[in-house]
Amino acid sequence: EAGVTQSPTHLIKTRGQQATLRCSPISGHTSVYWYQQALGLGLQFLLWYDEGEERNRGNFPPRFSGRQFPNYSSELNVNALELEDSALYLCASSWGLAGDNEQFFGPGTRLTVL
Amino acid sequence: KNEVEQSPQNLTAQEGEFITINCSYSVGISALHWLQQHPGGGIVSLFMLSSGKKKHGRLIATINIQEKHSSLHITASHPRDSAVYICAVRSSSNTGKLIFGQGTTLQVKP
Repeated sequence: EAGVTQSPTHLIKTRGQQATLRCSPISGHTSVYWYQQALGLGLQFLLWYDEGEERNRGNFPPRFSGRQFPNYSSELNVNALELEDSALYLCASSWGLAGDNEQFFGPGTRLTVL
Repeated sequence: KNEVEQSPQNLTAQEGEFITINCSYSVGISALHWLQQHPGGGIVSLFMLSSGKKKHGRLIATINIQEKHSSLHITASHPRDSAVYICAVRSSSNTGKLIFGQGTTLQVKP
């Protein structure tokens, strides 16, 4: 069974540009979660999608947005990039809307903003 | 004060030693996760538990809901266990999000 996949592995952008990160969940999983791991700050919750709807978001500005497609894959978009957006972005998936189910993580996308 | 606190932050052990990493939390939870992150960033879910104890190979995780505390034990540690171990809790308000501890960096020396 294929795990959670993310693309690209690495992404280099300059300040002010937009970044798009992609995530494909494990087959059968309907929930996708996005997390940011900035250097020295630990993991922080960004967004939760289930069945195509945003269910919850963390304390991030509106520049961070995303969507979930009918096949349950997801995109994270970061507009007007700032230097502090440089981080590892992790996607996780789980089945069911309960939010209590185990999450399986992808390998991450490392975003560097110059 | 962070909602999830781990101790120690850094841990160095000799191969074969028994290792304990602790996690305390201050919120009501529906589940607690132990995660392992290797250099390069990939995260592996080790355990998800809401009560009692779970064992997988040389790893054991326990949780005491009343005391709001969990421990991750590694028996007969090996250099390949070197990684960052992260405790994460899901609040009982069912927001879907995980609240993470700051992680414990473990180095096991041969």
